[in-house]
Amino acid sequence: EVQLVESGGGLVQPGGSLRLSCAASGFTFSSYEMNWVRQAPGKGLEWVSYISSSGSTIYYADSVKGRFTISRDNAKNSLYLQMNSLRAEDTAVYYCARVWLDYWGQGTLVTVSS
Amino acid sequence: QPVLTQPSSHSASSGASVRLTCMLSSGFSVGDFWIRWYQQKPGNPPRYLLYYHSDSNKGQGSGVPSRFSGSNDASANAGILRISGLQPEDEADYYCGTWHSNSKTWVFGGGTKLTVL
Repeated sequence: EVQLVESGGGLVQPGGSLRLSCAASGFTFSSYEMNWVRQAPGKGLEWVSYISSSGSTIYYADSVKGRFTISRDNAKNSLYLQMNSLRAEDTAVYYCARVWLDYWGQGTLVTVSS
Repeated sequence: QPVLTQPSSHSASSGASVRLTCMLSSGFSVGDFWIRWYQQKPGNPPRYLLYYHSDSNKGQGSGVPSRFSGSNDASANAGILRISGLQPEDEADYYCGTWHSNSKTWVFGGGTKLTVL
């Protein structure tokens, strides 16, 4: 069974940093591209970032480019999102999702507020 | 990059069939995209339902009932999610999405809140 479990969310002040993690199991993680998608409270889905299976190719949404960094550790079956210079508008539930968004984790809530 | 437009809400009676639309913005042709559909219930992550590109290139998500199906409406330049035999548990938000290879971004519609009467 494919499982994706996010962690690392929480309350952070504007300008602060957080690192999200996504632990994958039930599939050969190293063979799959991965994504981060977020959803602000009461709002729709917004794609954040993509990483290829090897980590060599990375894309970001314009809204996070230069502030967020996606990475992965295939030996640990883990995906990460380093978020710096956080803003109030980054407040959302952050989901990790497999390549074609066919499997999603339960999400982790990030709240940016003073 | 393309914009996907969905009606904000739709309602239908239990047992009925519904067509949820996902309109592609001008300058883009629905036939060039693989439209994916997701169902989200309150407090839960999105659930992948299916994708549709053409009748010969489509796929169902794992465990998704066959009463959920996809198609295109070329005249409306829209992707379509059809749900037949509506059940109370189908009440949810439905999102369409697609990967735009030129801009290297995922694009989502704003979602349709489906109410089952």
